[in-house]
Amino acid sequence: SAVISQKPSRDICQRGTSLTIQCQVDSQVTMMFWYRQQPGQSLTLIATANQGSEATYESGFVIDKFPISRPNLTFSTLTVSNMSPEDSSIYLCSVDRAGGQYNEQFFGPGTRLTVL
Amino acid sequence: AQSVTQPDIHITVSEGASLELRCNYSYGATPYLFWYVQSPGQGLQLLLKYFSGDTLVQGIKGFEAEFKRSQSSFNLRKPSVHWSDAAEYFCAVGAGSNTGKLIFGQGTTLQVKP
Repeated sequence: SAVISQKPSRDICQRGTSLTIQCQVDSQVTMMFWYRQQPGQSLTLIATANQGSEATYESGFVIDKFPISRPNLTFSTLTVSNMSPEDSSIYLCSVDRAGGQYNEQFFGPGTRLTVL
Repeated sequence: AQSVTQPDIHITVSEGASLELRCNYSYGATPYLFWYVQSPGQGLQLLLKYFSGDTLVQGIKGFEAEFKRSQSSFNLRKPSVHWSDAAEYFCAVGAGSNTGKLIFGQGTTLQVKP
């Protein structure tokens, strides 16, 4: 497994502002992922963040709204920009320690975001 | 395209009773299958996984799952449920092609009655 931490654990923000979420892993990993979990819903993949390359975004998600950084093999950030109440969700990061070979992911505790 | 269906949105069982959560997948090749649990306010914890071999896999917390290729199913079972098992359960299938991606089902909420 992997020990993954996220900061902040929760936040309440005003519409129009931005929030940056941090994800820290206890070991080096190639693949990191960012998910959104809207209230009462399943997980939706926002993007794949591999160190040394630009993040790959899923359909419906764009870099201007969700810029991602991946400066090294243990850390990534997701920014939720120009927030609206529809962005209220849990945001989770996860890691794949086997380079995507088996699709086995370990998840952080999540960041619960409320936008007023 | 790969997909995962969890037919039961909400299940209620009595403490001590047996449990089976259903999961059906759509995938062209041999799938990598997972069950995750999410307790309230928590992230996802991996319960068990199937890659190949024995179709009955054992996981943590007394859970097991059986891969049935003929039925495209990967149902999760536990012989005796504890109150602490109340949570959201997600079935997932690997998207393959070394992408590392997972496709999640909609989840099943388990409520445990005393």
